[in-house]
Amino acid sequence: GAVVSQHPSRVICKSGTSVKIECRSLDFQATTMFWYRQFPKKSLMLMATSNEGSKATYEQGVEKDKFLINHASLTLSTLTVTSAHPEDSSFYICSAEDTAKREIDTQYFGPGTRLTVL
Amino acid sequence: GEDVEQSLFLSVREGDSSVINCTYTDSSSTYLYWYKQEPGAGLQLLTYIFSNMDMKQDQRLTVLLNKKDKHLSLRIADTQTGDSAIYFCAEADSGGYQKVTFGIGTKLQVIP
Repeated sequence: GAVVSQHPSRVICKSGTSVKIECRSLDFQATTMFWYRQFPKKSLMLMATSNEGSKATYEQGVEKDKFLINHASLTLSTLTVTSAHPEDSSFYICSAEDTAKREIDTQYFGPGTRLTVL
Repeated sequence: GEDVEQSLFLSVREGDSSVINCTYTDSSSTYLYWYKQEPGAGLQLLTYIFSNMDMKQDQRLTVLLNKKDKHLSLRIADTQTGDSAIYFCAEADSGGYQKVTFGIGTKLQVIP
């Protein structure tokens, strides 16, 4: 089946630094990728839709200057958490839609990245 | 905004049936999903149902939808230890099946 990888799986950083998380579709092309965030004991919340070759679309309440998204190729989207604060500590998950199929069951999720900001 | 609620934990004995329940608030929900997440792995789509359906069966999985009560359930027949995972209920409205709102996830523990 289709595989989506995320790197790193875990990252610990100091307050004020920036952290980049990668999301890759390994065996399919993804024009569209999605970034989610999960707070402890809360549901996954969609942060933004990442579109290859164009600007990302952010959900209401998500700071686009804080969470920079770059989707420079059909297999890679990156999320950069800038000037990280402890409240940014969370579990970040990406998903990628198979461009060739675009069906309800062709959105594939990565395993997630655990970010801890000290 | 949309809200999807489900209980946090369910424990069943191997061989029994598991029923995981979910309620949602968005009356325009068009697509309803069940995802499974095993430790260290990404969310895996188990099954989905359209809002104009009442039931969908796929091997050991049965999804029931009560649209009036905005209640979705997932029944796993003959539950196995390999079914132990976190199960997420999710929905998307007619604006697009990709923009999914998830519940908090129910951790299913199967006791041998």
